[in-house]
Amino acid sequence: DAGITQSPRYKITETGRQVTLMCHQTWSHSYMFWYRQDLGHGLRLIYYSAAADITDKGEVPDGYVVSRSKTENFPLTLESATRSQTSVYFCASSESQIIGNTIYFGEGSWLTVV
Amino acid sequence: AQTVTQSQPEMSVQEAETVTLSCTYDTSESDYYLFWYKQPPSRQMILVIRQEAYKQQNATENRFSVNFQKAAKSFSLKISDSQLGDAAMYFCAYKKGTSYGKLTFGQGTILTVHP
Repeated sequence: DAGITQSPRYKITETGRQVTLMCHQTWSHSYMFWYRQDLGHGLRLIYYSAAADITDKGEVPDGYVVSRSKTENFPLTLESATRSQTSVYFCASSESQIIGNTIYFGEGSWLTVV
Repeated sequence: AQTVTQSQPEMSVQEAETVTLSCTYDTSESDYYLFWYKQPPSRQMILVIRQEAYKQQNATENRFSVNFQKAAKSFSLKISDSQLGDAAMYFCAYKKGTSYGKLTFGQGTILTVHP
C-alpha cells in the first residue's frame, strides 16, 4: 500500500527557476491538496482539487500553478521560484464520499530557494 | 474565516506523566470536525485523534483523549502516561463539515518528553 508519494523529497533551486513538485496517490481519492509548512504558521493550503481537471485556490496560491490531468497525480509548479517559497510542501488526499473522513498526508518535500 | 490558535509554543512533560495541549478555534459553523496531528522530526503528519462537533462525547484513542468544549470553542489534547516517542510537534486542525480535507491548522506546539 504505497499511499501518497512525493518527489523530490529534497530540492535546492535558484531564484527565478521553475520547479515542479510531484505527488502521486494510489487510493483513487477524489480530493487532493497541497499545503506548505512554515515556522509559526502551521500548514497552509495552497491549492486543492476535487477531481481530475478541477482545481481551486486555497489560502496562499500566489506564485504556484497546479494541474490534475489524472486522478492519481497532482503536481505543484513554482513558475519562478522566490526565496519566500522556501518551505516544506505536503501533498494530501481524501475520499469524496465521506465528509468527515481522514486526510492522508505525504512525507513532505523540502524546498530551498537560494 | 475560521482560525485555530495554539497558545503554547512549547510544552514539556516527564515520562509517564500527563500533559495537556491547548487549542481554541473560531467558527460560525455548526457542522465541523477537529483534529490533532502529530509531526515527529521526520516531518510526517500523523493523525492522533479526531472529534466530530455534533458528538458530545469526547474522543479517546488509547493514551490520547480530548476535552471538547463546544460553547467555549476549545479542543485540548491530553496525553496520559507520556512516552519518549510522544515527543513531537502537535497541530490542532479544523475542518468545515462540508469541505473535503480543507484543513485550517494552528501554529503548533512542540512537546518535549524528559526521561
